[in-house]
Amino acid sequence: DIVMTQSPDSLAVSLGERATINCKSSQSVLYSSNNKNYLAWYQQKPGQPPKLLISWASTRESGVPDRFSGSGSGTDFTLTISSLQAEDVAVYYCQQYYTTPLTFGGGTKVEIK
Amino acid sequence: EVQLLESGGGLVQPGGSLRLSCAASGFPFSNYAMSWVRQAPGKGLEWVSSLSGSGANTYYADSVKGRFTISRDTSKNTLYLQMNSLKAEDTAVYYCAKDRTGLVRFFDLWGRGTLVTVSS
Repeated sequence: DIVMTQSPDSLAVSLGERATINCKSSQSVLYSSNNKNYLAWYQQKPGQPPKLLISWASTRESGVPDRFSGSGSGTDFTLTISSLQAEDVAVYYCQQYYTTPLTFGGGTKVEIK
Repeated sequence: EVQLLESGGGLVQPGGSLRLSCAASGFPFSNYAMSWVRQAPGKGLEWVSSLSGSGANTYYADSVKGRFTISRDTSKNTLYLQMNSLKAEDTAVYYCAKDRTGLVRFFDLWGRGTLVTVSS
């Protein structure tokens, strides 16, 4: 199984500042035949189901603010919130879909400092 | 409106069975892979099972293989999860999730979840 490890477990960022979340996979999720990284990011607010933010490591979903961006390749990925807003308080998860079993990172809780 | 609505959760004793349902609306149900993802209280997300858009392929986490069965009724636009031999560690909110394509990849639509509690 591909193990997804997120860091940090939690972080507190001032409003308007940058938040950076890391996700590392135990093996590469880059599919060589199409040069795509099989990595998604989700946001889960308290009491709500997860919401897809980014797929293919860096493709933002329609309607997701452009302050959210994804980067990385192979085994190391980053979700960046360029200017944290109050409504961004949530837990963020990465997920690999390179192979089954699909696996999620443990989550990163983002709070306001 | 595009939505998923889960039902069927509840309290069940260890060793018991439960069938979850997920009613889909607003999109061509049989075109998309569908999955169940669970979340134990205060914990992270755990993929449970998926069904490809063609209906030909099913996938299970090792933790539920042999005990859970995923299926669908395309005439009712409904996804199911039959859960047998339930254990305390199966206690979780179970989410139904739609894939972006007919292949099992990532989830662009989630239901609000149904709570399953396994306890005596």
